[in-house]
Amino acid sequence: DAGVTQSPTHLIKTRGQHVTLRCSPISGHKSVSWYQQVLGQGPQFIFQYYEKEERGRGNFPDRFSARQFPNYSSELNVNALLLGDSALYLCASSLDRGSGGTDTQYFGPGTRLTVL
Amino acid sequence: GDSVTQMEGPVTLSEEAFLTINCTYTATGYPSLFWYVQYPGEGLQLLLKATKADDKGSNKGFEATYRKETTSFHLEKGSVQVSDSAVYFCALSGGFKTIFGAGTRLFVKA
Repeated sequence: DAGVTQSPTHLIKTRGQHVTLRCSPISGHKSVSWYQQVLGQGPQFIFQYYEKEERGRGNFPDRFSARQFPNYSSELNVNALLLGDSALYLCASSLDRGSGGTDTQYFGPGTRLTVL
Repeated sequence: GDSVTQMEGPVTLSEEAFLTINCTYTATGYPSLFWYVQYPGEGLQLLLKATKADDKGSNKGFEATYRKETTSFHLEKGSVQVSDSAVYFCALSGGFKTIFGAGTRLFVKA
């Protein structure tokens, strides 16, 4: 079975631009979460989605938004990019069997975003 | 809010040495606790987990016990190998969010 896939692999943008990152979960997984990992730090939680609804949100500004589609894939959008948005963006999927979002998460390889 | 604190690295050990990486947490409710590992050039992957107090998670010779009284989930391995060189992340999950520690880099010398 394919793992979590993310696209694109790398992306270079300039300040003020907008970016869309994409994620396809493992087949059968209904929950998708997004994380930002700055070099040398742990992943920071951005969003968790389940059945197209946002269930959890981290401490990120409103410039960050996401959505989940009927096939459970997901997009992360970031508007008005800042230099500080440069990071590895990770997507993770889980089965979520009604466990309150505590199921094991399976991570994709990430999208490396560079903002110039 | 919820948080995870783990020991700073890097940690450098010789092969066959005993490993402990400390992790403590603060959380409301009863989170699940995880250790994830990131090998060089690879993505994050689950190493082990524990879902309730006194549970012990184990995998590949690594162990960690969910200690509610000390709010800890320390990672241990009796004899490390060069192939264990990686970055290790402690994490808690609950309330529809997952919080990671900053990570501890482990170097194992032959």
